[in-house]
Amino acid sequence: AQKITQTQPGMFVQEKEAVTLDCTYDTSDPSYGLFWYKQPSSGEMIFLIYQGSYDQQNATEGRYSLNFQKARKSANLVISASQLGDSAMYFCAMRGPSGGYQKVTFGTGTKLQVIP
Amino acid sequence: DAGVIQSPRHEVTEMGQEVTLRCKPISGHDYLFWYRQTMMRGLELLIYFNNNVPIDDSGMPEDRFSAKMPNASFSTLKIQPSEPRDSAVYFCASSRGTGGYQPQHFGDGTRLSIL
Repeated sequence: AQKITQTQPGMFVQEKEAVTLDCTYDTSDPSYGLFWYKQPSSGEMIFLIYQGSYDQQNATEGRYSLNFQKARKSANLVISASQLGDSAMYFCAMRGPSGGYQKVTFGTGTKLQVIP
Repeated sequence: DAGVIQSPRHEVTEMGQEVTLRCKPISGHDYLFWYRQTMMRGLELLIYFNNNVPIDDSGMPEDRFSAKMPNASFSTLKIQPSEPRDSAVYFCASSRGTGGYQPQHFGDGTRLSIL
């Protein structure tokens, strides 16, 4: 079975500062994928970044980077230079064979608020 | 490239009425997923298709819910008869089937309110 844990229900960050959103996961699969999604107040789900379990380097996409620590089973999202538009819910998610391969297991989300 | 397109964006209807939600996946994607999101239960996978064939409908709450994918560019989720507890945001998502763990790309969702 797969499990995603996001322990921070809410976070605040000052505009232009960096922020780390925590995500830990549990799986017995050797191969899996990790994802982060953003859901603004308007409701849409936006894919941000992907990390494969065998990827040697941490994934980066613009101001987003994924701090992947495989031994600790953590996949934290780092947002650099926060902007007001980053205020949203952020979901960590994973896919792997034990979850049905195509099925995605989502965490409960972290609500990020960027303060001007 | 166009993303996943869902319609309608909002639907308000009375209990007992039939509701049909529509989805156009991203061209070239082999998989299509229907999700429901509520505050209480978060995101729930209802059903998913591979090449238009339903693969897993174990998340469909009951017989009032049905989903079809008549071709690669169109899917519907139908609720008949609708009940107030069906009120939620319904998302359609699609993904490629090859190239490792491809991300699912979501539509903007349909906000459904059953009165």
